[in-house]
Amino acid sequence: GAVVSQHPSWVICKSGTSVKIECRSLDFQATTMFWYRQFPKQSLMLMATSNEGSKATYEQGVEKDKFLINHASLTLSTLTVTSAHPEDSSFYICSARVPGPSYGTIYFGEGSWLTVV
Amino acid sequence: GDSVTQMEGPVTLSEEAFLTINCTYTATGYPSLFWYVQYPGEGLQLLLKATKADDKGSNKGFEATYRKETTSFHLEKGSVQVSDSAVYFCALSENGNNRLAFGKGNQVVVIP
Repeated sequence: GAVVSQHPSWVICKSGTSVKIECRSLDFQATTMFWYRQFPKQSLMLMATSNEGSKATYEQGVEKDKFLINHASLTLSTLTVTSAHPEDSSFYICSARVPGPSYGTIYFGEGSWLTVV
Repeated sequence: GDSVTQMEGPVTLSEEAFLTINCTYTATGYPSLFWYVQYPGEGLQLLLKATKADDKGSNKGFEATYRKETTSFHLEKGSVQVSDSAVYFCALSENGNNRLAFGKGNQVVVIP
C-alpha cells in the first residue's frame, strides 16, 4: 500500500526554539494531508488540514501562529512548532489521502515524538 | 461535536481467545466508521471500515458491524494471535471528508 513517512521520529528541543517535522508521501501525490497530536492515553486530535498550494485549515483552538503548516509540494507537508514550550511535548502524526472511491484512503505516518525541555 | 468512546484500559488475553473492543460514537449525521491498528513502531493502518448502517467491515479475521440503533461499532475477533498485539483505534468521519475523530485507543496484548 501507499507509504507516508515522518521525520524525525523523535526530537528533543530547548524551550523557546522552533522545531520542524516533515511528512512525506513516498509513492503517491497527496493534495491533502492532516496533522494530529496525541497526548498520553488520549485520543488523536486533529490539528489542521494541509492543502497543497494553499493555506492550512486549522481546527478550533489550535494556534495557527504557533503550529505553522506548509504544504509546498504534492509529496511534502511540514509542521513547525514555533517557540516551543514543554506543554507542546506530544506525539505528532500526519496522514495523507489517496484519492479514490469512497472518498479515497487515508495513510498515516509513523508519528514523531517531540519533547521540549 | 462528533466523538468516539472506547472502553477503558488495556486488554490482555491469551492466544486463541475471543476479543471484543467496544466502541460507541456520537455524530450529528451519518458518519463512516473505522477501526485503525497501530503495531509497535509503525504508523496507523486501516483495519476495516463501514460506511452505512448495518454494514459489516471485516479484515484479517476482525469484524465490526455498524449499529445505528446503538451507535456502536464494536470490534471482534474469534481467535487472536500474538501478532494481533497492537493498539486499536475506533474512528469516524462525517461526510467522507477524511477529517477523522478518534477514540483513545486500546492496547491489546496477546500472551502465548
